[in-house]
Amino acid sequence: AQRVTQPEKLLSVFKGAPVELKCNYSYSGSPELFWYVQYSRQRLQLLLRHISRESIKGFTADLNKGETSFHLKKPFAQEEDSAMYYCALSGSGGSYIPTFGRGTSLIVHP
Amino acid sequence: KAGVTQTPRYLIKTRGQQVTLSCSPISGHRSVSWYQQTPGQGLQFLFEYFSETQRNKGNFPGRFSGRQFSNSRSEMNVSTLELGDSALYLCASSLLTTETDTQYFGPGTRLTVL
Repeated sequence: AQRVTQPEKLLSVFKGAPVELKCNYSYSGSPELFWYVQYSRQRLQLLLRHISRESIKGFTADLNKGETSFHLKKPFAQEEDSAMYYCALSGSGGSYIPTFGRGTSLIVHP
Repeated sequence: KAGVTQTPRYLIKTRGQQVTLSCSPISGHRSVSWYQQTPGQGLQFLFEYFSETQRNKGNFPGRFSGRQFSNSRSEMNVSTLELGDSALYLCASSLLTTETDTQYFGPGTRLTVL
């Protein structure tokens, strides 16, 4: 069974500090991985996906198949980054059953 | 483009009743997925519809069902409501149905079962 684990419910940092939100997954095949973000009073939205190898709002995430991880990183946190972050996995090859982690609440203090 | 809309936004029902939730996807989007979000279980996939056909289904009992109309609008029905069905129900639409296609989420319907 596929599983996504976000070990931290809450991550609190100061503005300008580096941020790393952890995500570990369990999947027997080749996974498609995503990070979603939900800002206060806004809808859940896609932040980035590993297949695009993109950097969005300064965030990057690298898929490490050896460690089965997809951690989200940003070198210098901003107050506007405060939000709920969800890591998600979707099977490949026609198995489209998205699995979400429980989420990590990031709070960036001024 | 208008975003994904869900109606109603809030709903209160009693145990044993049934409920129907509605989702209107972004214009041109053909795939609609439904999720249940609760504090205890987090965000869980219910099912996905594409061109009026259920393509994928999560691990939920048969009391949860859905359908999609020719205009891609989708409804989700829950019969014989239980207290544990209280949750935020999210709908998401995407242009296609590939694993990497971006999903756009609606604001959700908050269902409370008393």
